[in-house]
Amino acid sequence: GAVVSQHPSRVICKSGTSVKIECRSLDFQATTMFWYRQFPKQSLMLMATSNEGSKATYEQGVEKDKFLINHASLTLSTLTVTSAHPEDSSFYICSAYQGSHYEQYFGPGTRLTVT
Amino acid sequence: KNQVEQSPQSLIILEGKNCTLQCNYTVSPFSNLRWYKQDTGRGPVSLTIMTFSENTKSNGRYTATLDADTKQSSLHITASQLSDSASYICVVSTKAAGNKLTFGGGTRVLVKP
Repeated sequence: GAVVSQHPSRVICKSGTSVKIECRSLDFQATTMFWYRQFPKQSLMLMATSNEGSKATYEQGVEKDKFLINHASLTLSTLTVTSAHPEDSSFYICSAYQGSHYEQYFGPGTRLTVT
Repeated sequence: KNQVEQSPQSLIILEGKNCTLQCNYTVSPFSNLRWYKQDTGRGPVSLTIMTFSENTKSNGRYTATLDADTKQSSLHITASQLSDSASYICVVSTKAAGNKLTFGGGTRVLVKP
């Protein structure tokens, strides 16, 4: 099956710094990638939809200037958490949409801890 | 409003026993329904995906059913193993809004020896 990777898997940063998370589709081209956030014992919450070559579409309540998304190629999307604060600590998961199979494949997630 | 409700929230079963998880949805227009398994600290992994015309699909010891008329789905786990301990998430996709997924809250399954 299709594989989606995320890097890093785990990151600890200090409050006020920025962190970049990469999401790659390894063996297929993804026209659309999605970014989710998951708090403990809760389900995934969609943050934004990222289309290759265009601006991301953010869900209501998600600050686009804080969570910068870039989808520069059909296999790579990045999420940058700017000026991170402890409340941004969460599990961030990306998924890549393979249109021909209407399937979304999820990455393994990135655990962000802001101290 | 598109919603996916799952029950029970959590479940403890003994190794070797069967269990069934429920999912009710109100997503429209319906595209497909998926069941994912999510281990703690990992991303979701697809178990089954069913379109409107499919009413059952199996993946090893996992069997999903779909009743599109009543908008209900179930996931049956047969002969549970300790490795089945995870969260199981029911997700419904809509044809509208760029194939966005609506997630259920998940059922946390704990298999005990």
